[in-house]
Amino acid sequence: GQQVMQIPQYQHVQEGEDFTTYCNSSTTLSNIQWYKQRPGGHPVFLIQLVKSGEVKKQKRLTFQFGEAKKNSSLHITATQTTDVGTYFCAGDLSGGYQKVTFGTGTKLQVIP
Amino acid sequence: GAGVSQSPSNKVTEKGKDVELRCDPISGHTALYWYRQSLGQGLEFLIYFQGNSAPDKSGLPSDRFSAERTGGSVSTLTIQRTQQEDSAVYLCASSPGHLAKNIQYFGAGTRLSVL
Repeated sequence: GQQVMQIPQYQHVQEGEDFTTYCNSSTTLSNIQWYKQRPGGHPVFLIQLVKSGEVKKQKRLTFQFGEAKKNSSLHITATQTTDVGTYFCAGDLSGGYQKVTFGTGTKLQVIP
Repeated sequence: GAGVSQSPSNKVTEKGKDVELRCDPISGHTALYWYRQSLGQGLEFLIYFQGNSAPDKSGLPSDRFSAERTGGSVSTLTIQRTQQEDSAVYLCASSPGHLAKNIQYFGAGTRLSVL
């Protein structure tokens, strides 16, 4: 079935190192969203990308939407311990039914 | 304004009992999702309500699980004859439901423990 996969599943980095998670869909997405879930918390919306090839930045976070609108990436520059958590991408695979499907998530651990 | 509210925050029950979990979405949000998250795992989609459309129940793991949404607002997830493998955090999210604004806002979840 239609799904959204993320790699890697887990990532451990030393504080100050960069981190990237990749999101891949089996079908074209209307848009892509990114969420962060802190340990013990619930997912919180970070950003939404809509246009093919779109790039958005939030401080140390850079988000990209692929040209074919089937993949996306989140890059964190110079990670900090506050970046710890699980990052989910989510996209509309429903072709207009507006049902958002979450990716499998990437769990980031930052070693101080 | 108020966010998504879920109750109870914690529920401990005995195997075989029925439980009801409640979700109060953000006022005006037409879309509502239920997810299940086991410890250290991702989000498992359960059910999706969008306006007056028939709900998407494709994620419900068995016929012991059901959900309803009354008046397009409050939703209740019911688990009958609970099993130990039902233990997890159940998350509810609501969304404005428009293509350009289908961002999901999550409640704090209900932690269900089946003994």
